[in-house]
Amino acid sequence: DTGVSQNPRHKITKRGQNVTFRCDPISEHNRLYWYRQTLGQGPEFLTYFQNEAQLEKSRLLSDRFSAERPKGSFSTLEIQRTEQGDSAMYLCASSLWADRSEAFFGQGTRLTVV
Amino acid sequence: GNSVTQMEGPVTLSEEAFLTINCTYTATGYPSLFWYVQYPGEGLQLLLKATKADDKGSNKGFEATYRKETTSFHLEKGSVQVSDSAVYFCALGGQTGANNLFFGTGTRLTVIP
Repeated sequence: DTGVSQNPRHKITKRGQNVTFRCDPISEHNRLYWYRQTLGQGPEFLTYFQNEAQLEKSRLLSDRFSAERPKGSFSTLEIQRTEQGDSAMYLCASSLWADRSEAFFGQGTRLTVV
Repeated sequence: GNSVTQMEGPVTLSEEAFLTINCTYTATGYPSLFWYVQYPGEGLQLLLKATKADDKGSNKGFEATYRKETTSFHLEKGSVQVSDSAVYFCALGGQTGANNLFFGTGTRLTVIP
């Protein structure tokens, strides 16, 4: 297993366009997380899945954001009608379903909205 | 609520110098504490962790002790190397059903030969 994989690594889009990112977690991990990191800040939690169920969403996740994990494997994060404030690094992480187990992070997708 | 306050950077040290990066936290209950490291061009990697008070996490010569009485988890290394140049993030977790992490703002360390 090569770890958590995210695609694309970079995305430049025009304001108002929709974008979709993909995350492939470590295969045996049932938990999958999305975080957002802006310049000079630490990552901030957006949402998480336990298998295919989305169990928690942060207040940061506006109505324009939607995440799915249809078969409990890979996940997608879609942002509709992008705004310049959406420019950030979007990080995916996965972990086993065990209390306080370690989260493994992907390299992230850097989104630039112009 | 949960929060992590981390020593602001950037920090520049000479090779073989002693490193301390301060981290304090606010949380209810008994969180787990972590240090993550991000090397240039790479993703976040777990450096070390501690899951209860007085635990010491250690890895690659780095150490941090979970101090409940001072709500701190300071990162230390006795002799840094150029290869330690990276951004270091303190984080807490285990406070919600999601077990998601709350991160500090990160400290950039540059080690010069």
